[in-house]
Amino acid sequence: IAGITQAPTSQILAAGRRMTLRCTQDMRHNAMYWYRQDLGLGLRLIHYSNTAGTTGKGEVPDGYSVSRANTDDFPLTLASAVPSQTSVYFCASSEWASGASYNEQFFGPGTRLTVL
Amino acid sequence: QKEVEQNSGPLSVPEGAIASLNCTYSDRGSQSFFWYRQYSGKSPELIMFIYSNGDKEDGRFTAQLNKASQYVSLLIRDSQPSDSATYLCASDSGYSTLTFGKGTMLLVSP
Repeated sequence: IAGITQAPTSQILAAGRRMTLRCTQDMRHNAMYWYRQDLGLGLRLIHYSNTAGTTGKGEVPDGYSVSRANTDDFPLTLASAVPSQTSVYFCASSEWASGASYNEQFFGPGTRLTVL
Repeated sequence: QKEVEQNSGPLSVPEGAIASLNCTYSDRGSQSFFWYRQYSGKSPELIMFIYSNGDKEDGRFTAQLNKASQYVSLLIRDSQPSDSATYLCASDSGYSTLTFGKGTMLLVSP
């Protein structure tokens, strides 16, 4: 089934631990994104990648890192988790072209992360 | 900082009525605008996009764009209880990214 998968579905993590959230898409999209969604704050972009081998910072990148070794995978790493990183994390992808007027982003099912 | 503003709601309408959801944006350079629907506990899904001034209709949904007023709206005709969800407005931020509003919760009562 084509789409985006995320793992784990949910996780409870002790503060200070390292955690990698996984994201894989099989649509061969060039662009991928990580968002966090918090009550009252909406969707906020953490990091993005327009193509394999490149990444960029979004609105709230501090405490997170990403890599894009290939087209399909875009893992998000929390090097030392803190309670303020408790959130729902969504990965998304799109077929983006510079100058295009249309950039539909497809979202994965999300990862619910709790940092204690 | 580029911003997209939405009323958080909830917007309550009776079944069969027209629901009107509104959004304003700060970046005059934004070209494309998107409406996503998000059911509780689920991920956002695209329902409409628009990039030309005026109206765009798709079934029961109509998106309206007024670039001079920096205003986007979504009308849902013949609202159904299954339309109850949070609606996210987004604008392109340049390059490949989108800026999302915080969403408006819509409640359609039977």
